[in-house]
Amino acid sequence: GENVEQHPSTLSVQEGDSAVIKCTYSDSASNYFPWYKQELGKRPQLIIDIRSNVGEKKDQRIAVTLNKTAKHFSLHITETQPEDSAVYFCAASYTGTASKLTFGTGTRLQVTL
Amino acid sequence: KAGVTQTPRYLIKTRGQQVTLSCSPISGHRSVSWYQQTPGQGLQFLFEYFSETQRNKGNFPGRFSGRQFSNSRSEMNVSTLELGDSALYLCASSLSRAGYGYTFGSGTRLTVV
Repeated sequence: GENVEQHPSTLSVQEGDSAVIKCTYSDSASNYFPWYKQELGKRPQLIIDIRSNVGEKKDQRIAVTLNKTAKHFSLHITETQPEDSAVYFCAASYTGTASKLTFGTGTRLQVTL
Repeated sequence: KAGVTQTPRYLIKTRGQQVTLSCSPISGHRSVSWYQQTPGQGLQFLFEYFSETQRNKGNFPGRFSGRQFSNSRSEMNVSTLELGDSALYLCASSLSRAGYGYTFGSGTRLTVV
């Protein structure tokens, strides 16, 4: 089955700096890659997603890049703010006849003042 | 527009008992998935339903079961509870048959004592 590895497990950046979180997946059939943000005690929230027919997608300060050949995808957050502090999860899925998200282990991002 | 609603929010059960958790998806969403979240194992896929059919099942023992009703509401049941079943159980729904853009509920925190 699919396996998703995520690095780093913790990341501390200063406010205004950029943060990058990387994930690799094992199943070349995977074609959908969402990113979720989970604040302490709250539900995971979808922040951005990318499909395999696209190499990059951007939404304001957040961008995701996908390299299908290398089977890895990354989340980029620019101009980080304290409210970006949370745990971020990447996931991979094959959206064929059924949907199953395989999640990475999460990255705890701390944005310091 | 109401989000994904999970009830109850908190549950304390004794080993050996059984429990039923409920999930009401966003109106119009027919794909419903369940995930177990623990500090040690992260987010693990349990099952996925679409139009009352279980299309996919994760690697959990048969004590874990679920179903979806004609109004897309879903329930999951865990029988013969074990201490290791203590976790946050998250339900997610999607408008897409392929499972794009899952929105998560706030979860049910189950504690087994």
